[in-house]
Amino acid sequence: EAGVTQFPSHSVIEKGQTVTLRCDPISGHDNLYWYRRVMGKEIKFLLHFVKESKQDESGMPNNRFLAERTGGTYSTLKVQPAELEDSGVYFCASSQDSGFYASEQFFGPGTRLTVL
Amino acid sequence: DQQVKQNSPSLSVQEGRISILNCDYTNSMFDYFLWYKKYPAEGPTFLISISSIKDKNEDGRFTVFLNKSAKHLSLHIVPSQPGDSAVYFCAAPGGTSYGKLTFGQGTILTVHP
Repeated sequence: EAGVTQFPSHSVIEKGQTVTLRCDPISGHDNLYWYRRVMGKEIKFLLHFVKESKQDESGMPNNRFLAERTGGTYSTLKVQPAELEDSGVYFCASSQDSGFYASEQFFGPGTRLTVL
Repeated sequence: DQQVKQNSPSLSVQEGRISILNCDYTNSMFDYFLWYKKYPAEGPTFLISISSIKDKNEDGRFTVFLNKSAKHLSLHIVPSQPGDSAVYFCAAPGGTSYGKLTFGQGTILTVHP
């Protein structure tokens, strides 16, 4: 069974440019999450999709970030325009169940975003 | 507002000995806790969890202890192996669903042969 995949693995862009990150969850997982880790600190929640609907987007930093999950399969996270403080590792995760088991999430390898 | 805290950035242990990783939390509404392990250039991997109705959960070499009155949990690894060297994150779900995880800062565990 394929795990969670993310593309690209690394992206270097200039301040003001646009970047789109992609996540493919484990097949059949309705729950999809985005997290971010900045400068080796804690991993912070960004948002949660259930199928194609946004269940919780309380962690999205500002309106420069836009997440979509058309058709309830893969998801994209667009940052436009990118700022220096957006640099970090963006993780995507998925889970199949609800309740406690929604916490036992499968993470992708992350996309390392560097904004210069 | 750091609701989950891991105050030890790093821990070094000899192979075969016990590793104890600690985690404190401030939100008394948390009722489920998890530990994730992360190797370099990989995403976190779920390791073990515990519900607040228990004070201990064991899975092979890994045991998690929960002290609700102290709002403290710990992960014990016995015996430690070099392959256990990784970053360990404590996490708790909250918000509108159990999907929103709040993570600690992580503890880098190094197990020396």
